[in-house]
Amino acid sequence: DGGITQSPKYLFRKEGQNVTLSCEQNLNHDAMYWYRQDPGQGLRLIYYSQIVNDFQKGDIAEGYSVSREKKESFPLTVTSAQKNPTAFYLCASSRLTSGANTGELFFGEGSRLTVL
Amino acid sequence: AQSVAQPEDQVNVAEGNPLTVKCTYSVSGNPYLFWYVQYPNRGLQFLLKYITGDNLVKGSYGFEAEFNKSQTSFHLKKPSALVSDSALYFCAVRDTANAGKSTFGDGTTLTVKP
Repeated sequence: DGGITQSPKYLFRKEGQNVTLSCEQNLNHDAMYWYRQDPGQGLRLIYYSQIVNDFQKGDIAEGYSVSREKKESFPLTVTSAQKNPTAFYLCASSRLTSGANTGELFFGEGSRLTVL
Repeated sequence: AQSVAQPEDQVNVAEGNPLTVKCTYSVSGNPYLFWYVQYPNRGLQFLLKYITGDNLVKGSYGFEAEFNKSQTSFHLKKPSALVSDSALYFCAVRDTANAGKSTFGDGTTLTVKP
């Protein structure tokens, strides 16, 4: 079945460590996104990419990095510069229709990062 | 800048009664509007969207939403609520002038009681 796979589902990190969250999609979608979700808050956009080898910062990119070397993959690295990394991280993808981004988002099941 | 407001943190309804979850938005261009549902510790699932055309949009699981341009609203509705509809609901907007970025509201927790 087509979909988005995020791994790991749960991750624990010590302060000062970088961690990388995996996101893979087999939907043949051009656009991919990373969101952060905190309790009582909506989703906040970290980074997004509409084409391979290109990505843009979202609203809260500081302390995060991404790459888009393949259409199917959009890994997120949470660096030690991120001051409050404990959160639920969601990866999503969408189609680009006739060059316009009207498609709905398809989400993975999320990765919960806890800093010890 | 684009923004979304969901004025109610919590909505409680009895099973069988109609439900409404409210959403208002602000964009600089024409809006693309979406509703998503999230169950605990899961990703979001798409319910419905408004791109253009009829102001009443029908979606999954019997949900519908009405686009009102003058009131900049996109309220989610269902004629008869089910206990299984209990979840966290998010409204989102994408500005045609800012393609690629969806902005989400803070979410509304819907509880349907038997």
